Amino acid sequence: EDQVTQSPEALRLQEGESSSLNCSYTVSGLRGLFWYRQDPGKGPEFLFTLYSAGEEKEKERLKATLTKKESFLHITAPKPEDSATYLCAVERRGSTLGRLYFGRGTQLTVWP
Amino acid sequence: GAVVSQHPSRVICKSGTSVKIECRSLDFQATTMFWYRQFPKQSLMLMATSNEGSKATYEQGVEKDKFLINHASLTLSTLTVTSAHPEDSSFYICSARAGQQQETQYFGPGTRLLVL
Repeated sequence: EDQVTQSPEALRLQEGESSSLNCSYTVSGLRGLFWYRQDPGKGPEFLFTLYSAGEEKEKERLKATLTKKESFLHITAPKPEDSATYLCAVERRGSTLGRLYFGRGTQLTVWP
Repeated sequence: GAVVSQHPSRVICKSGTSVKIECRSLDFQATTMFWYRQFPKQSLMLMATSNEGSKATYEQGVEKDKFLINHASLTLSTLTVTSAHPEDSSFYICSARAGQQQETQYFGPGTRLLVL
């Protein structure tokens, strides 16, 4: 059975304290892995798509990496405005194009 | 990035009435759109896949007669919650994929439905 597991469920960081969020997945044939940011009461905002093991992508203080079993979202020197829920999702080969399987998310709080 | 809009952003209705939610891809064509619902502090649960010009595909446990989906054009999909009840109160989010190749998927801002 396909599964996407994110850890930790919640993370509190002091401003400037770097850390990583984890997304482990078991899926029969990965087409792509997606990271989204979601603020309360809003739809998910696209961050990254990773397609193959070893791939890395960066955007400001965020860096996403991918292995054959998991993905990490590294947050360097976070700021309070980085506080949000970060969602990981996978797209499986053989499924409808665009059909995503989501993890439960990591709620990140960055305090000054 | 690509933009997906939803209307309305929030709606309050009486139990037993029907509510229609629109999802539009503003700057691209989407043959497939997806409808999710999200309960507080939970992740997104896929309800159905909306296919332009054909019937929607519903996930297991989702009542197709209650959640009517129409995808009449390449830029518009609608979700109608029929005979809404308080337990249908939730945050409904649509998404659309921009392109058939290795493109990403963009989400709308969501619609908050409250059924009294």
